[in-house]
Amino acid sequence: NAGVTQTPKFQVLKTGQSMTLQCAQDMNHNSMYWYRQDPGMGLRLIYYSASEGTTDKGEVPNGYNVSRLNKREFSLRLESAAPSQTSVYFCASRTAGSTEAFFGQGTRLTVV
Amino acid sequence: ILNVEQSPQSLHVQEGDSTNFTCSFPSSNFYALHWYRWETAKSPEALFVMTLNGDEKKKGRISATLNTKEGYSYLYIKGSQPEDSATYLCASPLGGTSYGKLTFGQGTILTVHP
Repeated sequence: NAGVTQTPKFQVLKTGQSMTLQCAQDMNHNSMYWYRQDPGMGLRLIYYSASEGTTDKGEVPNGYNVSRLNKREFSLRLESAAPSQTSVYFCASRTAGSTEAFFGQGTRLTVV
Repeated sequence: ILNVEQSPQSLHVQEGDSTNFTCSFPSSNFYALHWYRWETAKSPEALFVMTLNGDEKKKGRISATLNTKEGYSYLYIKGSQPEDSATYLCASPLGGTSYGKLTFGQGTILTVHP
């Protein structure tokens, strides 16, 4: 049972380049989330998908797009990377109701 | 309170000390309060999920309480050990549904000195 799998683990981009972060879960969870972690700011929600077929903005959606491809997969796209998007990105998933979230291993992204 | 907030931001204690931190959250449309432990270079892992006013949960030396009417939760660590050093996060689903917008506080960074 892999849980939540994120790829890639590390990435360096040049300003203006695009990339997609992939996330897949094998726990049959309904809800999936993308967060970014910056020093002193905890985890900030970028986008989430409460269920297959829906996506909604979180606190910091600017510069990002998402796709809930199916129940298992939720991808995060940076169309034109900026240095301010240098961060560690975490994907998470959980079932509906009062259940905990499970996290992927994180993607460390540097934009130069 | 419109968001999830934690205090203090950081805490340094000596081995053997007991300590506690606070999480504040909106008390209206409350569904659940989560506590996570996040070690350096790892991913956050859940400690507790609490839903009912007055809930108390315990795992070893760590316990948590919940007051949904006033919108706060406390996490307690009894007899802190160096391996308890981590960031402790709380989170709550905001926005009126139990399954959306899981919002985290800024975290409390705990350092336990031997």
